[in-house]
Order: sequence, then C-alpha cells, then structure tokens
Amino acid sequence: EVVMTQSPATLSVSPGERATLSCRASQGISSGLAWYQHKPGQVPRLVMSGASTRATGIPARFSGSGSGTDFTLTISSLQSEDFAVYFCQQFNSWPLTFGGGTKVEIK
Amino acid sequence: QVQLQESGPGLVKSSQTLSLTCSVSGDSISSGNYYWSWMRQPPGKGLECIGHIYYTGSSYFNPSLKSRVDMSVDTSSNRFSLRLFSVTAADTAVYYCARGGPGTMIFDSWGQGTLVTVSS
Repeated sequence: EVVMTQSPATLSVSPGERATLSCRASQGISSGLAWYQHKPGQVPRLVMSGASTRATGIPARFSGSGSGTDFTLTISSLQSEDFAVYFCQQFNSWPLTFGGGTKVEIK
Repeated sequence: QVQLQESGPGLVKSSQTLSLTCSVSGDSISSGNYYWSWMRQPPGKGLECIGHIYYTGSSYFNPSLKSRVDMSVDTSSNRFSLRLFSVTAADTAVYYCARGGPGTMIFDSWGQGTLVTVSS
C-alpha cells in the first residue's frame, strides 16, 4: 500500500502568516491526492481534491500543488478559523491511505 | 446538505463483534452517485480506510481487515452498517462514516465520528 507521510507534525504560525504543509507518498500517485481540515468537535472538511482543486466553499487563500510523490498545501494568510489539523489522502490506488496529519496551531 | 451520523455501542468486549450504523440524510444512498465508506482513527494514529459499500451491496474492504469485516446497506432506511468481528484492543478507535465520490474516492461528507473502546 502507499504510505503517506506528512510534515511537520505541528506547525506554529502567527495569524496573517503563510503556512506550508507537506505530504509525501511512498510511490507515485499522479495527482490523486486530497486534503482535509479537521477541527475538534467538528466533522472533517474536504479542502482540496485532485492535489490543486479547491473544494466547494474553500477560500482562495488555500492552494495545493504537486504531483507524483510530493505535495504541498499552502495557506497564504492564516485566519483564526484555519487553525486545525490537516491530513492528506491518496486516492490513486487501493487501499486508500491517509497521512498522519499536521496540526496548525497559533504561535 | 448531506449529513451522516454514526451510532452504536461505545464499548465492546474483546473477541466480540463491533457493530456500527451510519444514518444518511440529505441524500439517497440508492441514487448510485456515491460510495459509502468507513474509516477509523486509533488514538494518536492516522486514519485508516476500512472499506466501502455501494447501494447495490458490492463492497471493498481493506486487505488488512478483510477477514474480519462485513458491511451492509439498507436503502429503505437510508443507512449502511459496519461489522468488525473478533475485536481486540487494537481496534479501539474513533470510527467515521463518509460519502465518497465514484471514480475518485474523495470524501466530501463525513460523520462526526464515534469512539469505540474494546475492553478485556
């Protein structure tokens, strides 16, 4: 199975600053990657599909890039509502697999 | 807006069967537009895909769990279910149900998740 590795595990960022999250696949997955946001007590929310396509309702400050094995989720100017855990998921091959998550916390 | 809600016992004894149900509102399972999935997240670990089921009953299970998993769908009540047999402490996790797109298994709607603890 494809192993997904996210880094860093925790990212401390001040509001208004840029956050860059990384997700690496153990083998090539083309553009078969999605990103999710998960806040405590809430349901996980799809942020990005197909590596660079924002999901419905996701603001433009979120952007995704990458293909093959290395992917990045960038939040250009962090807002208070963006502090959460973000995890990636590959859907290129079975079984579907997830990264361990990056917690974006307030610095 | 589609909503999913997991339900079932929060405590299961070791070697017994874990049973959970996901109730779907705002969408019809029998529309055939989506797959209906189960994931889990053990404490301190990442998410694991358990498998999914289509409205026809066809299913896919993660090979790591395939020998112990069963799923079913009830289109009349718009619910789908998970059974995990012969559980151990390693099956303690938050269990999520979710809706996945056909073709691309991207999960656009999730349940809140329910913690299931396996006790000895």
